[in-house]
Amino acid sequence: AQKITQTQPGMFVQEKEAVTLDCTYDTSDQSYGLFWYKQPSSGEMIFLIYQGSYDEQNATEGRYSLNFQKARKSANLVISASQLGDSAMYFCAMREDYTGGFKTIFGAGTRLFVKA
Amino acid sequence: DAGITQSPRHKVTETGTPVTLRCHQTENHRYMYWYRQDPGHGLRLIHYSYGVKDTDKGEVSDGYSVSRSKTEDFLLTLESATSSQTSVYFCAISGGTGPLNTEAFFGQGTRLTVV
Repeated sequence: AQKITQTQPGMFVQEKEAVTLDCTYDTSDQSYGLFWYKQPSSGEMIFLIYQGSYDEQNATEGRYSLNFQKARKSANLVISASQLGDSAMYFCAMREDYTGGFKTIFGAGTRLFVKA
Repeated sequence: DAGITQSPRHKVTETGTPVTLRCHQTENHRYMYWYRQDPGHGLRLIHYSYGVKDTDKGEVSDGYSVSRSKTEDFLLTLESATSSQTSVYFCAISGGTGPLNTEAFFGQGTRLTVV
């Protein structure tokens, strides 16, 4: 079963506008972590933001914020004031506690295109 | 930048041959992961390790084996490469005192082509 779902294969946004990238997840654990990563065309994976399942406030990191709705099991990434350099692939990920350790699984990703 | 390197960065191999990819870290992190990235699938976990000689399977482990004899090295082996294993492979590490909130640091990736 798909544990991380990103329903938007591609998104377009005008430069300087805000954009929301959707992510829903499935877990029966009470304790987990949610992450967003950016992958530009160069291929490296860049950590953007983290949200813990027990965090009451939504995480923010500069122009990035995470809209965490626990009951809906959603962890949408909001990018404010989009820049051309934001054009990239974005991955939502979840870390859970498994027997023996922790592992992180990823969604299929959303490709964001920022238009000038 | 986190000290994590993958080798080789690119490899072309023939169907049926064994292939080993290496991930080396200098961060002394406990957790190491191998993912493969394919269009439309994002990153899928192959195997992971939570300590020396402690490994477990991920989502797509068939056809792959791993070994971790030292903290710093995590090897991924394709015993008999198939064309379906053509992919970009990423190694990642994570550690710290709070594993749930510690982000993973990624290597630069290895592009493997099986012909």
